[in-house]
Amino acid sequence: AQKVTQAQTEISVVEKEDVTLDCVYETRDTTYYLFWYKQPPSGELVFLIRRNSFDEQNEISGRYSWNFQKSTSSFNFTITASQVVDSAVYFCALIEDNYGQNFVFGPGTRLSVLP
Amino acid sequence: GAVVSQHPSWVICKSGTSVKIECRSLDFQATTMFWYRQFPKQSLMLMATSNEGSKATYEQGVEKDKFLINHASLTLSTLTVTSAHPEDSSFYICSARDAARPATDTQYFGPGTRLTVL
Repeated sequence: AQKVTQAQTEISVVEKEDVTLDCVYETRDTTYYLFWYKQPPSGELVFLIRRNSFDEQNEISGRYSWNFQKSTSSFNFTITASQVVDSAVYFCALIEDNYGQNFVFGPGTRLSVLP
Repeated sequence: GAVVSQHPSWVICKSGTSVKIECRSLDFQATTMFWYRQFPKQSLMLMATSNEGSKATYEQGVEKDKFLINHASLTLSTLTVTSAHPEDSSFYICSARDAARPATDTQYFGPGTRLTVL
């Protein structure tokens, strides 16, 4: 069955530190898509990135970077030089192409960036 | 970009009353919409899949008679929480799939509806 694990429930860092949020997934499908979303206190989900199972290239977007490794079924997210505005809950999620196509979310990691 | 709206954004109601939440796709047609529920400090869990013109498919453990879903048009799905009780208090979020594009490419989340049942 499909599953997304985020082992870190809560992380606290001091501003300007780098932080990596871990995500490990399980899937029965050969074609799948991985996502990261940010959920600030308002509750609205903010899309960060989407990756398909055939594209293992790492990606960098400003202070954000993602490391996708199929061999370990991981899709980790790193924030460089963290800022207080990065404080939020971050969800890793999976969509399987051939099974429903709904999002399966990980439990989330609450990141607190302290000034 | 595509926008999905939800109405209301928050609602407080008395126990035993029914509450209707709307999910609208504003600039695309959505053949499929998904309803998720998020309890405080928890993750989002799929409640049901709503397909335009047909009955919704509910996840195990979700009472279909309590959470009525209607997807009567390509731009609107509604979730009605009937006879709401305090344990139904939660954050309800919908996502909509653009019918013109692959499902995994274009699903958009609404801003969510916070339901508090007193």
